[in-house]
Amino acid sequence: DTEVTQTPKHLVMGMTNKKSLKCEQHMGHRAMYWYKQKAKKPPELMFVYSYEKLSINESVPSRFSPECPNSSLLNLHLHALQPEDSALYLCASSQEGIAGSGTYGYTFGSGTRLTVV
Amino acid sequence: DAKTTQPPSMDCAEGRAANLPCNHSTISGNEYVYWYRQIHSQGPQYIIHGLKNNETNEMASLIITEDRKSSTLILPHATLRDTAVYYCIVRVVFRGTFGTGTRLTIIP
Repeated sequence: DTEVTQTPKHLVMGMTNKKSLKCEQHMGHRAMYWYKQKAKKPPELMFVYSYEKLSINESVPSRFSPECPNSSLLNLHLHALQPEDSALYLCASSQEGIAGSGTYGYTFGSGTRLTVV
Repeated sequence: DAKTTQPPSMDCAEGRAANLPCNHSTISGNEYVYWYRQIHSQGPQYIIHGLKNNETNEMASLIITEDRKSSTLILPHATLRDTAVYYCIVRVVFRGTFGTGTRLTIIP
């Protein structure tokens, strides 16, 4: 299995809703990432988990809450989002060594297209 | 993280080599150069990466200048399916910052 699977593919939610995005990989990768991509812009890093621990939070608002229940799963819990949070949310994984040298590339999922109404 | 600069768009005739440049003049010694492409808002797809030496795989070649301040991705025989946004990234540890990318259009 060489894929990163994201569900759902599309999500429409109201500003008072609570929803979750799910990401799964079975490649034995030890680092997992959430990126946000607005239309016609490059992906922007949100969070990084390494060995199931949060390593990087790029000053993301608390209405986005990541969770890594195990080495294969990554969730992004959403609450009280704003319309400007509408975007493509991409999950990625990489086979990071302990030194985290950056030798390994990312494998990206196809993304969840989120619309906040 | 080192920043990358790419031309916003390029055209290439089908069957010809596509040469996509990237400037990363502030790259540090332990940062790798990666190339990805993104087709129609799908997830980015890995193409190739390198540190110092030129690299080649079944998709492309990567030429890195001796001072490592710039690189060129070469798609040797472009097809219509190579139409995409191509991102050059310099990366160390977990951080890889995407530049604005080059929108490559392959012309029939």
